[in-house]
Amino acid sequence: QSVLTQPPSASGTPGQRVTISCSGSSSNVGSNYVYWYQQLPGTAPKLLIFRNDQRPSGVPDRFSGSKSGTSASLAISGLRSEDEADYYCAAWDDSLSGHVFGGGTELTVL
Amino acid sequence: EVQLVESGGGLVQPGGSLRLSCAASGFTFSSYDMHWVRQTTGKGLEWVSSIGTSGDTYYRGSVKGRFTISRENAKNSLYLQMNSLRAGDTALYYCARARDGFDCWGQGTLVTVSS
Repeated sequence: QSVLTQPPSASGTPGQRVTISCSGSSSNVGSNYVYWYQQLPGTAPKLLIFRNDQRPSGVPDRFSGSKSGTSASLAISGLRSEDEADYYCAAWDDSLSGHVFGGGTELTVL
Repeated sequence: EVQLVESGGGLVQPGGSLRLSCAASGFTFSSYDMHWVRQTTGKGLEWVSSIGTSGDTYYRGSVKGRFTISRENAKNSLYLQMNSLRAGDTALYYCARARDGFDCWGQGTLVTVSS
């Protein structure tokens, strides 16, 4: 059971906009930055979004993050087949004094 | 090129020990917090431990007292000493660099705890 809650799966067709949610609590998402990671099959995770809504250099602007209260979201617009991957949210948890991840969302491009 | 390369994984019996290593290159290792993150087969990511630039350490509850994280800046290396291993510790262990998020990951080293 992950501390942060994500839907196990999401899907969309090429060109569509897809949103993945991440629900936490006041001790993690509600009071700390949220980060998003993309994990392509057979590879290590890659930082996609930092500080709730910032993109590292090289990440396309099709990817965007947002946060409101104890929930956060990752949006992917103009969906492409290469976006098929697992997506994880993460945050620091003040109560646990550690980093926590969501359970991951498997994105399928139909 | 920024690179992290883990080693030291393997098959170990319950109650046994392993020492993981992570060799860093391409960046000023001493300037970054470093972490170990694990991933069980077919499951999600789980943060294990971290060490700051000044040597402060943090552990997830389930490994406290059994795992010890350390770093050797002169050798650009990160370590994880794992004792009293349990079946639940079986996972692919990644080392990761962190400043604003885990912005660089190694390829992982597999730890299997089984009799």
